[in-house]
Amino acid sequence: GAVVSQHPSRVICKSGTSVKIECRSLDFQATTMFWYRQFPKQSLMLMATSNEGSKATYEQGVEKDKFLINHASLTLSTLTVTSAHPEDSSFYICSAVNRELSYNEQFFGPGTRLTVL
Amino acid sequence: GQNIDQPTEMTATEGAIVQINCTYQTSGFNGLFWYQQHAGEAPTFLSYNVLDGLEEKGRFSSFLSRSKGYSYLLLKELQMKDSASYLCAAMDSNYQLIWGAGTKLIIKP
Repeated sequence: GAVVSQHPSRVICKSGTSVKIECRSLDFQATTMFWYRQFPKQSLMLMATSNEGSKATYEQGVEKDKFLINHASLTLSTLTVTSAHPEDSSFYICSAVNRELSYNEQFFGPGTRLTVL
Repeated sequence: GQNIDQPTEMTATEGAIVQINCTYQTSGFNGLFWYQQHAGEAPTFLSYNVLDGLEEKGRFSSFLSRSKGYSYLLLKELQMKDSASYLCAAMDSNYQLIWGAGTKLIIKP
């Protein structure tokens, strides 16, 4: 299989604090991971593409200094929401690509629900 | 520009058949994905099409016409648990997924 985990699944924090979300591929090596954000009743919005060993590529409108992404190994990528504010409250989902598969399917983590008070 | 269109919401009856359509415009094309997403959960993979035609997988089938930029997801023998959002996503030339807004499917008894 291709299992992706995320931790934590749910986090509540105060405004101004930083929150780190981990995304792990458990049974495959993921050279590329994606970070998405999803607001209620909306589709997935790609935030950034994370490649192991290199800087993440951010989508237009996503502040790279606010959403820090580190992809230090082939099985782990982290997203840190710095100085979180209530408008950052959302469902954050990561996905990983198993390059051994022929069609670049993205396997999704279970998501992290962030609530900023 | 890149764009995915799918209906916002559909309603169907338990035991019936429903077809969810999706049209896409992308820079290059490396396949069309369908995902199912229940409320509060991450998407789960349903199907992938890169060649024209119909792919059948149990109660779910997916069709692709590359020349028309069109795909549909066909759900048969609908069950209450099929109530979910169904996301169409096209993979562009950079292997990035371009996502539709999702179709909320409501199943009635």
